[in-house]
Amino acid sequence: GNSVTQMEGPVTLSEEAFLTINCTYTATGYPSLFWYVQYPGEGLQLLLKATKADDKGSNKGFEATYRKETTSFHLEKGSVQVSDSAVYFCALRMDSSYKLIFGSGTRLLVRP
Amino acid sequence: DVKVTQSSRYLVKRTGEKVFLECVQDMDHENMFWYRQDPGLGLRLIYFSYDVKMKEKGDIPEGYSVSREKKERFSLILESASTNQTSMYLCASSLLDDKGGSKNIQYFGAGTRLSVL
Repeated sequence: GNSVTQMEGPVTLSEEAFLTINCTYTATGYPSLFWYVQYPGEGLQLLLKATKADDKGSNKGFEATYRKETTSFHLEKGSVQVSDSAVYFCALRMDSSYKLIFGSGTRLLVRP
Repeated sequence: DVKVTQSSRYLVKRTGEKVFLECVQDMDHENMFWYRQDPGLGLRLIYFSYDVKMKEKGDIPEGYSVSREKKERFSLILESASTNQTSMYLCASSLLDDKGGSKNIQYFGAGTRLSVL
């Protein structure tokens, strides 16, 4: 079946460090891919998305590129801030469905 | 902005109680969803509704039911709460049709943390 695998957390970084959170997927076909972020005590918010191969999603300094050849959608940010501390979820959705399939989430902690 | 409101942030219930979790959205979205979130498991879909009085089972519907009597409101019901239903419950909504690509985006409420003792 379709699934999403994320790197285990927590990821702990110092402020201004470079961030990569790995996400790979398994899907029969070509899904749309998403990163959602959950700040402490809040629900999930869409961070960025990509709907076809080689698309790059970007928002708030975060980027992710849809790589069909490696079935990946890794999240990157060049310089993290304390305010980026949150749980990040990678997700996919097939065109034939409204259902989102989520990874297990990766907690990011950024220290001053 | 889309607003998805869950009626309670925290609930404590006893085993065997009937529990209602309420969700309201204000953007006239056709689709509404209930997920549960557990550490290490991400979000798992419980039920989904694409119209009033319409529902579909998600991945883990056992022990739950839902009600959608009005377009803006989607209720999750635990008929007889059990301790293994202690979890964070998240409601979401989205558009049915692809109006400028918005179909892909689900908007989430802040969640209800339910403890069943």
